[in-house]
Amino acid sequence: VQLVESGGTLVQPGGSLRLSCAASGFSVGTNYMGWIRQAPGKGLEWVSLLYAGGYTFYADSMKGRVSISRDNSNNTLHLQLNNLKAEDTAVYYCARYFRNVATHGDYHFDHWGQGTLVTVSS
Amino acid sequence: SYVLTQPPSVSVAPGQTAKITCGGDNIESENVHWYQQKPGQAPLLVLYDDTYRPSGITERFSGSNSGSTATLTINRVDAGDEADYFCQVWDSKTDHVLFGGGTTLTVL
Repeated sequence: VQLVESGGTLVQPGGSLRLSCAASGFSVGTNYMGWIRQAPGKGLEWVSLLYAGGYTFYADSMKGRVSISRDNSNNTLHLQLNNLKAEDTAVYYCARYFRNVATHGDYHFDHWGQGTLVTVSS
Repeated sequence: SYVLTQPPSVSVAPGQTAKITCGGDNIESENVHWYQQKPGQAPLLVLYDDTYRPSGITERFSGSNSGSTATLTINRVDAGDEADYFCQVWDSKTDHVLFGGGTTLTVL
């Protein structure tokens, strides 16, 4: 299982950006996937989830400015970021959201990418 | 909204036991997951569903969850365990993933 993010760059406030996460070793179309971000020197902040059935969930801090999607043919997860603000500056990680049915437990992020840095600044 | 509270830092001498807590209202009714993050690296899952270790994670890592506190325990701590540790749950009331603020483990 491998996840490789791309698309992070310097963008001006109010700008847009599309992040990508190329997966290998499993199918994004049949798994739950998520994005998590980490501002410089700060903790982890969940951003979004995409269920295999197509349901999407978004953190309140980014709702209305972010959209998660996937390209099954390229086995890639995407995150569209709009109207970016300085406080959106962070490393953005994609991760597989997985559940071990044998433990009857909850979903958790079992595999993470290395992250891609988004810097919002004029 | 549901909040997970972690101490900002924990320090322990090599060879001793480190306990990192994650507090939340009636957290024992939740499945708590733990991630380790070393400087410059992506987070790594070290425990899931309170007590289960993913393949490849040392038996020195264990977990418990009771009342309002979930605990990650690291036995026989060594310098390689220095990292930030984050707890995580699913908030079914808001359909949100929640992370604790993180705890920095320092090996003295």
